[in-house]
Formats: sequence, structure tokens, C-alpha cells
Amino acid sequence: EPEVTQTPSHQVTQMGQEVILRCVPISNHLYFYWYRQILGQKVEFLVSFYNNEISEKSEIFDDQFSVERPDGSNFTLKIRSTKLEDSAMYFCASSINDSPLHFGNGTRLTVT
Amino acid sequence: QKEVEQNSGPLSVPEGAIASLNCTYSDRGSQSFFWYRQYSGKSPELIMFIYSNGDKEDGRFTAQLNKASQYVSLLIRDSQPSDSATYLCAAPSQGGNTPLVFGKGTRLSVIA
Repeated sequence: EPEVTQTPSHQVTQMGQEVILRCVPISNHLYFYWYRQILGQKVEFLVSFYNNEISEKSEIFDDQFSVERPDGSNFTLKIRSTKLEDSAMYFCASSINDSPLHFGNGTRLTVT
Repeated sequence: QKEVEQNSGPLSVPEGAIASLNCTYSDRGSQSFFWYRQYSGKSPELIMFIYSNGDKEDGRFTAQLNKASQYVSLLIRDSQPSDSATYLCAAPSQGGNTPLVFGKGTRLSVIA
């Protein structure tokens, strides 16, 4: 069964550094998402991407965050200057029209 | 802002019993609902989705939707220790293919 793949599985970075989280969505999916989950808290929506542009974003997705689909397969989330509170699991997800989201295994980001 | 509410639990049931997980939502216009299972440290995994009032069965799982009362539930028959996880209820924030809003999840513990 096709999968959403995310790399790396764990990223440790120092406060103020830039990080890029990578995702390869399922190949025939058209909608791409980033969610995050701070330890012990709910899964929170960050941003959705469709037709090569952001379709929606949450209040969390401020100027420090950006997304790109640099080629036909990768979908990336960049955090420009990480803060301690950015420590969380980051999940990429993809879907076809109106279909359920399929999540990747996540990247655990630890900011020290 | 759509809210999806769940009792955080833990809900403990003996092996072989029926586990009943409940979710309420604030937006009466919500049309579709999703149940995800999340093991500790892992990503959400789709269990079931339901669009219509009534019951939908898939193996040991039954989703129930009551739009008039604005609740959706998940029943797990013949519960197994491997069902021990957090169960997340989710609904599109504005219907259709909009991002999912997740509840905090209910932690289920199946005791052998």
C-alpha cells in the first residue's frame, strides 16, 4: 500500500537554527498538509497546499514557517529560526479530493 | 471555530468487551467524521470515516453518527490488548476538503 514518507525521523537543532522537514506524499494525491503535535497535546493543523500554493494556514503558521513543493514528489516544511516551543512531532499528510488523510510516520523535532 | 470534544480517559475495558468511544462536535453543518488510532509516539492511523446518520461497520469497528445530537461514536467489539491506544475523532474545519480539526483523543486501555 502506498505510504507518505517523512525524513528525518528525528531532528535535533539549536534554538535559532533553520530546519527543513521533508515529506514524500502518496504519488496520486493532490492535497498536502502539515500538522504538529506537541507532547501530550492534540494534533494541530499548520498548513494545507494544493495546486502549488498554500490553500489554508492556521495561526500557528506564522512568518517563521514556509512550505515548498520543489519538484513533483517532495513537500517540505521550513522553520526559519527555531524556538524551544517548536519542539513537537510534525506530521505530513496527503489526500485525494474529499478522501481521508493519510499520515506519514512523523518527524520528532527537538529544539535545545 | 469548529470544536471537536472527546473525553481524554483513560477508558479501561477487559479483553473481549465492547469499548465505546464518544465524540461531540460544535458545528451542526459538519458532514463527515473520521476516527484515527494513535499508538504512543506514532502517527495517526485511519480506522473509519462516516458521512451519513446511523451505523457503519467494518470488522470489529462500528462508527455511529447522530447529526441531530451532534455526536459520533466508535464501538470496538471483542477488544484486544493491541487495541490499547489513543483514539482521535476529527472533522473537516469547514466541510469538504478542508483541513481536519482533531479532538484531544481518548486513551483506551484493554486489560488482558
